[in-house]
Amino acid sequence: GENVEQHPSTLSVQEGDSAVIKCTYSDSASNYFPWYKQELGKRPQLIIDIRSNVGEKKDQRIAVTLNKTAKHFSLHITETQPEDSAVYFCAASQVRNKIDMRFGAGTRLTVQP
Amino acid sequence: DAGITQSPRYKITETGRQVTLMCHQTWSHSYMFWYRQDLGHGLRLIYYSAAADITDKGEVPDGYVVSRSKTENFPLTLESATRSQTSVYFCASSEAPGSAQHFGDGTRLSIL
Repeated sequence: GENVEQHPSTLSVQEGDSAVIKCTYSDSASNYFPWYKQELGKRPQLIIDIRSNVGEKKDQRIAVTLNKTAKHFSLHITETQPEDSAVYFCAASQVRNKIDMRFGAGTRLTVQP
Repeated sequence: DAGITQSPRYKITETGRQVTLMCHQTWSHSYMFWYRQDLGHGLRLIYYSAAADITDKGEVPDGYVVSRSKTENFPLTLESATRSQTSVYFCASSEAPGSAQHFGDGTRLSIL
């Protein structure tokens, strides 16, 4: 099955700096890559996603890049704010005869004011 | 998103007991999912359902049973709870496979 690794496990940045979180996956058939933000005690919420036919997607301060050849994808947050502090999860998904959705272990991002 | 609700929010039970976690969605999404979340493992898929009466195993299905008699409900049952099943359980739904999943608020389950 698919295996997703996420780095770093913790990340601390100063307000206004950029933050980058990286994920690698093992199954070349994976074709959908969402990113979720989870605040303490809350549900995971989708913040951005990308499909395998696209190399980059941007939504305001958030962007995701995908390198299918190297099997890795990254989340970029620019101009970080204290409210960006949360745990971020990447995931890789593919559908062959069944759905296989695997999440990374998460990155705890702290934005220092 | 109020469209997907889980109950109960918190549950404490004993080993060997049967416990059912409920999930209800109002979006008429075809796909529903159950995940467990444990420190260091992120979210792991337990079971999913593509439609009423169609279910399939995920990454960690052992010890769990699901059913989907109605599109809007997807209960998860632990037939004989074990301590290793102590976790936070999230239900999610989506319109299609490989599309955005919307999560419920979760159920924190403790098995003593």
